[in-house]
Amino acid sequence: DQQVKQNSPSLSVQEGRISILNCDYTNSMFDYFLWYKKYPAEGPTFLISISSIKDKNEDGRFTVFLNKSAKHLSLHIVPSQPGDSAVYFCAAAGGTSYGKLTFGQGTILTVHP
Amino acid sequence: ETGVTQTPRHLVMGMTNKKSLKCEQHLGHNAMYWYKQSAKKPLELMFVYNFKEQTENNSVPSRFSPECPNSSHLFLHLHTLQPEDSALYLCASSPEEGGLYTIYFGEGSWLTVV
Repeated sequence: DQQVKQNSPSLSVQEGRISILNCDYTNSMFDYFLWYKKYPAEGPTFLISISSIKDKNEDGRFTVFLNKSAKHLSLHIVPSQPGDSAVYFCAAAGGTSYGKLTFGQGTILTVHP
Repeated sequence: ETGVTQTPRHLVMGMTNKKSLKCEQHLGHNAMYWYKQSAKKPLELMFVYNFKEQTENNSVPSRFSPECPNSSHLFLHLHTLQPEDSALYLCASSPEEGGLYTIYFGEGSWLTVV
């Protein structure tokens, strides 16, 4: 039973346009969410996080939106750049330990010049 | 340069071998983690150590044996592994296990069991 789902295995976007990556979760105990980016042969790199007391968090070109009632979050990248091409993972935590992240399957983002 | 360093980056071992993966963090954190990423599967938590004490074993087979001698170092001892254990093993750290802290990952150790 997958508690964090990224239903789009891949996304292709033109440089300069917006990239929107989606993530759904089922566990109501999750109240802390993170996005990681991963290049081949490297470990995941932290991008941005959001706690359930907020519905939006912004950091430069990256914005994460949280819809608690729908158990849905999304990562917006504006404007997208070719260097953003990577695998993006959504992760969630909550309950007794915020160190125990549950990850989605990842979405491969390709940004075309 | 990552604050979490893993060695070796690549390891090929036979099913009867004994080997170890090493992780070192230079971030002053007190919590360390082992995660596993198998092909076409999400990253999966294996073990958590908080202030050198193991606080989580996510039903990991005993052929994987973690060791945390201090808050900066974490090992994963491997023995009599199976080919299906071939995966990317990621070490991570955070200030503590509790609280809304960011977890930082190392670059991973690619393990192939033959």
